[in-house]
Amino acid sequence: AQSVTQPDIHITVSEGASLELRCNYSYGATPYLFWYVQSPGQGLQLLLKYFSGDTLVQGIKGFEAEFKRSQSSFNLRKPSVHWSDAAEYFCAVGGDNDMRFGAGTRLTVKP
Amino acid sequence: NAGVTQTPKFRILKIGQSMTLQCTQDMNHNYMYWYRQDPGMGLKLIYYSVGAGITDKGEVPNGYNVSRSTTEDFPLRLELAAPSQTSVYFCASSSGGRQPQHFGDGTRLSIL
Repeated sequence: AQSVTQPDIHITVSEGASLELRCNYSYGATPYLFWYVQSPGQGLQLLLKYFSGDTLVQGIKGFEAEFKRSQSSFNLRKPSVHWSDAAEYFCAVGGDNDMRFGAGTRLTVKP
Repeated sequence: NAGVTQTPKFRILKIGQSMTLQCTQDMNHNYMYWYRQDPGMGLKLIYYSVGAGITDKGEVPNGYNVSRSTTEDFPLRLELAAPSQTSVYFCASSSGGRQPQHFGDGTRLSIL
């Protein structure tokens, strides 16, 4: 069965600094990978997805992620963080019928 | 566009009571899911459905039941509420198993 590990429970960055959130997955076949964001009291919103092709994918809100098969990773990046990016971020891998989520990384943005 | 709608948003139950969490979607998605979210644990899949009349267990199905009589609706039932079921519950839908899921805003359930 597929699984996802997000090694960082909580990350704090200064506004304007760059951001990288780590995600490692385990899946036997070609993975379908996703990043979601959750603001307090809200459901999850899709940031970006990787199915195949170009390993660098662009998402909404200026986020991007890079798929590295050799490292089983799908890290999320943003060049310059805004205060409104403070939220919880979830990496997920899609299986045949379901999806497995990581435990999440909480992002705090310092002014 | 309503998307995925969950009701109620909040509920407090006593131990042993039962209740149904409602979920409906208007995107004509075949796939629907129920998750629970506990602090630091991410989302755990309770049950899912790949179409009307078809349901299957996820990672943590014990204590829950589901039905899927229509494409739009996927209710989750708790028969004998226990404190361990205190959580935030999310319903989601998608057009396929590997496709992005669309989430409702959640139901916060406390069992005392």
